[in-house]
Amino acid sequence: GQNIDQPTEMTATEGAIVQINCTYQTSGFNGLFWYQQHAGEAPTFLSYNVLDGLEEKGRFSSFLSRSKGYSYLLLKELQMKDSASYLCAALDSNYQLIWGAGTKLIIKP
Amino acid sequence: SQTIHQWPATLVQPVGSPLSLECTVEGTSNPNLYWYRQAAGRGLQLLFYSVGIGQISSEVPQNLSASRPQDRQFILSSKKLLLSDSGFYLCAWSTLPTSTDTQYFGPGTRLTVL
Repeated sequence: GQNIDQPTEMTATEGAIVQINCTYQTSGFNGLFWYQQHAGEAPTFLSYNVLDGLEEKGRFSSFLSRSKGYSYLLLKELQMKDSASYLCAALDSNYQLIWGAGTKLIIKP
Repeated sequence: SQTIHQWPATLVQPVGSPLSLECTVEGTSNPNLYWYRQAAGRGLQLLFYSVGIGQISSEVPQNLSASRPQDRQFILSSKKLLLSDSGFYLCAWSTLPTSTDTQYFGPGTRLTVL
């Protein structure tokens, strides 16, 4: 079956760095998305990786290893507004998104 | 620029009542459209997607249905709501038929069935 695994919850300190991991098992693979979702709001797009390696966008970076079925989202210089859930989703061979349950990130002062 | 609207924002309905949620997209033509449900603390569950007017694919058999009467309008319906239909309903759009393109979400409708 198809499966996405990511930690349920993580805690980090304001100003620090945090890495949120995601492993996936899908029927075929056409890329990996990360979304941010604040409580009570809709998900917003953060990044898309289809090739191995690191993609950097300001304070956020996303990494993909296709051979390992693994991705991570790296958040630097954490701010209180980064407190949110982070959703990992893999695009399978039918171009359907398989969603993880999300990682709730708690930022402490 | 493209925008996506959903209404209502919140809804409280009794068990057995009907449901109609509406989603419209502006600023793009022939989008792919999606309905998702998110239960509290859970991931997104794809309910329906549509690649064109009148074309609906159902991912999960249940008492919900979807329709696409116009290119940029997507409607989620039920004849009789169940308690288990409570959740956060999200509409999304993307632009490519076989899409590696990003899905963009509307603001969502929070449905509580009592």
